[in-house]
Amino acid sequence: QKEVEQDPGPLSVPEGAIVSLNCTYSNSAFQYFMWYRQYSRKGPELLMYTYSSGNKEDGRFTAQVDKSSKYISLFIRDSQPSDSATYLCAMRALGGATNKLIFGTGTLLAVQP
Amino acid sequence: SQTIHQWPATLVQPVGSPLSLECTVEGTSNPNLYWYRQAAGRGLQLLFYSVGIGQISSEVPQNLSASRPQDRQFILSSKKLLLSDSGFYLCAWSARVTDTQYFGPGTRLTVL
Repeated sequence: QKEVEQDPGPLSVPEGAIVSLNCTYSNSAFQYFMWYRQYSRKGPELLMYTYSSGNKEDGRFTAQVDKSSKYISLFIRDSQPSDSATYLCAMRALGGATNKLIFGTGTLLAVQP
Repeated sequence: SQTIHQWPATLVQPVGSPLSLECTVEGTSNPNLYWYRQAAGRGLQLLFYSVGIGQISSEVPQNLSASRPQDRQFILSSKKLLLSDSGFYLCAWSARVTDTQYFGPGTRLTVL
């Protein structure tokens, strides 16, 4: 079993739709959760960074963490064609010497105009 | 503000040839530095990380090596490339060991 599971998609939605992207994980020690956006042939760009459980909102993006279910989500409201990209979840445990992030394989999102 | 550079952007190399990829960070001192490889459908695999000059830790034993000759410079090398070394190589930095990581633009390597 992989430590982090993420549906690879592709996910295709019409412009203006609400998008839900999800990851599940198995390691209960994970405390920090991140979402990265990666455009084709580019490096990942940090979108959201949350600690422990709860919600965090930034503009059209909301990150949600449910540690009891080992489940994290990223919601995109009023999706735009410019949101078309691969979305990677990442997480790590508290402490440790490496700050090692464990990544999901990414979900490819296409927002149709 | 901090910026991270990688070069070259793309590279096509024959099997058995050497490799040198470079990463530099501007706007910060004593960053933690990371090399990742991203293969299609397999997510990001951490290859090496460094917490200071000359300090390199390897996550995955393989055909590659890393060096950090200067505070903000990180180099990924190989003496003889294999076909399996093809992929998208990403360098990342973090301000402290507990901070999140920020990625460079990447180098796409094709080994033929």
